[in-house]
Amino acid sequence: AQRVTQPEKLLSVFKGAPVELKCNYSYSGSPELFWYVQYSRQRLQLLLRHISRESIKGFTADLNKGETSFHLKKPFAQEEDSAMYYCALSGRELVFGKGTKLTVNP
Amino acid sequence: EAGVAQSPRYKIIEKRQSVAFWCNPISGHATLYWYQQILGQGPKLLIQFQNNGVVDDSQLPKDRFSAERLKGVDSTLKIQPAKLEDSAVYLCASSPLSFVGDTIYFGEGSWLTVV
Repeated sequence: AQRVTQPEKLLSVFKGAPVELKCNYSYSGSPELFWYVQYSRQRLQLLLRHISRESIKGFTADLNKGETSFHLKKPFAQEEDSAMYYCALSGRELVFGKGTKLTVNP
Repeated sequence: EAGVAQSPRYKIIEKRQSVAFWCNPISGHATLYWYQQILGQGPKLLIQFQNNGVVDDSQLPKDRFSAERLKGVDSTLKIQPAKLEDSAVYLCASSPLSFVGDTIYFGEGSWLTVV
C-alpha cells in the first residue's frame, strides 16, 4: 500500500534560518515523489519532483530510498515561503501526506 | 493558459440534500481527477477519468457520490444525499496524460459545508 507521512503538522522558523520539512513514504515499487505547495488563498501547485533533481525557489529535496524519505530543504527561509506543504507519492495513484504548515517569522 | 475552473466555490447545504460540483479542465488535458480534502488532511483521490472513461474510482463512496465526464471534457461530481462528514473541499485537477509522474494541475476547489 502507498502511504506518505509528514510528521510535523506545524513548523515555525525565523527568516534566514534553514528549514527542513520531513516526509517519509511507504511503497513497494519504484516511487515517484513530489512536493506540492499551497500559498494562502491560492490553489495547490507543484513545487518540485524528485526525478527533476532541480531547485525551485531555493528548495531542494533528495530521495533517500534507504530511509524511505524525501525531505524538503531550504538553507535560508523567506517570509514568502510561509504556506502549506504536501509531500505526495505517485504509484498507482497520487497519494498525499497530511501536510505541514510552514510559518516563517520576520 | 487558463487553469482548471471549478464552480461553485462555496456551498452550504443541509444533510440529506444533494449538491453538484462542476469542473472544466485545462484545454487538451486527457486526465481529470476529483479529490476530497477534509480539514487538516491531504487531498484524497475520489475518481480519475482518462478522457471519458473511469480509470480509478475505488475510493468513491458510490452509494452517495457519482461523477461523470461526458464527451471527455468537463465533469460533474454529485453527492446525494449529503452527510455531515462530506464537509470538505472538493478539488478538481487535470493532467495532459496519466503516466506516473505527470504534472497535475489543480483548481481552486469547491468548499462544501453540510449542516
